[in-house]
Amino acid sequence: GAGVSQSPRYKVAKRGQDVALRCDPISGHVSLFWYQQALGQGPEFLTYFQNEAQLDKSGLPSDRFFAERPEGSVSTLKIQRTQQEDSAVYLCASSFYDRSRNSYEQYFGPGTRLTVT
Amino acid sequence: GQNIDQPTEMTATEGAIVQINCTYQTSGFNGLFWYQQHAGEAPTFLSYNVLDGLEEKGRFSSFLSRSKGYSYLLLKELQMKDSASYLCAPWTSGAGSYQLTFGKGTKLSVIP
Repeated sequence: GAGVSQSPRYKVAKRGQDVALRCDPISGHVSLFWYQQALGQGPEFLTYFQNEAQLDKSGLPSDRFFAERPEGSVSTLKIQRTQQEDSAVYLCASSFYDRSRNSYEQYFGPGTRLTVT
Repeated sequence: GQNIDQPTEMTATEGAIVQINCTYQTSGFNGLFWYQQHAGEAPTFLSYNVLDGLEEKGRFSSFLSRSKGYSYLLLKELQMKDSASYLCAPWTSGAGSYQLTFGKGTKLSVIP
């Protein structure tokens, strides 16, 4: 079946512009995460949704970052007044809990590479 | 806060076995994920351990000891395509916090 998709795959923004990054999770996946990944580093947690509820947004680096998932499926990460330090790959992941195996599986989208000039 | 430690780099020979260790100090621990990430690509799910012990999936196995805050990923019959970064990530929750925190990753180079 279809995996997690993200758009755009690449985005170049001038400093000060607002950007919106979209994530389409795997259908039926309740949990959705956003991460920021700098070159050579592991992904850094930004925020977590369970259905439409944003249960943890402690990783958002500033109040310029905002995420939503209004209908519990597609999610949007918005960055206002972009700065050069926002340049990174933004990854989205969705997951489901398999009760029969007491196990999670989590799948990442391809990411959006944001470059702020 | 959370503290996750993995070796930065490892090198192993094609056909060999390699063990990548991960130690963590977290609160509200639920389980631990392992991911593989090739350069320029998104991480790929390998395993999730919630109970102590070894779980085997083909050439890859993952072990967890909750009491010791320790996990390892075991790769057998190494192939050149296994050259990648391997990321350890504890899943924690509690008191309004739900986080998957990644280590910096172990860059594995497989040589002929």
